[in-house]
Amino acid sequence: QKEVEQNSGPLSVPEGAIASLNCTYSDRGSQSFFWYRQYSGKSPELIMFIYSNGDKEDGRFTAQLNKASQYVSLLIRDSQPSDSATYLCAVGSPDSWGKLQFGAGTQVVVTP
Amino acid sequence: DAGVTQSPTHLIKTRGQQVTLRCSPKSGHDTVSWYQQALGQGPQFIFQYYEEEERQRGNFPDRFSGHQFPNYSSELNVNALLLGDSALYLCASSLNSDLDFYEQYFGPGTRLTVT
Repeated sequence: QKEVEQNSGPLSVPEGAIASLNCTYSDRGSQSFFWYRQYSGKSPELIMFIYSNGDKEDGRFTAQLNKASQYVSLLIRDSQPSDSATYLCAVGSPDSWGKLQFGAGTQVVVTP
Repeated sequence: DAGVTQSPTHLIKTRGQQVTLRCSPKSGHDTVSWYQQALGQGPQFIFQYYEEEERQRGNFPDRFSGHQFPNYSSELNVNALLLGDSALYLCASSLNSDLDFYEQYFGPGTRLTVT
């Protein structure tokens, strides 16, 4: 059973601080890694994807991938109250034909 | 650029009934995946349709079936509804290419309640 693990939280972050979210996965063949943001009662929104080892930055978001350690993370800089949501880590593998394996999500609460 | 659309938004059904959910993919996308998300959980993959055929299936019983039409829209059918089928049903669209089909964009979802 391929697994994706995330801390459920809640992760409480002061406004303006950096939120750090972690995700580990079990399938060594995984090649595609995604972060989705989901507000309460809404559907997931794709905010970042990363395919290669290292860092990828997009605005206030940075995704970090370490395939050797089977670890992917998301940093949110200058956290805002609007960043309060559940962040889902998703993993894709070549042998899964587009099936994404999701973690249960980490709830982030940004406090003013 | 039209995003992924789903209908209906909410649905209430009784145990044993059947339900059909509908999805239109994002403009330019040709692949549709369906996911079930229970409260407090991540989405669980049901199946994926490409070229009007089911290409990949998750661990869901045969009560769950689907269809894709020539215009790439899709339906999810669930027969003999159980209370445990109550969930948010998500449609995700993508473009079939080497890696792009992993980039999936979700619709707003259909909230199904089985009583």
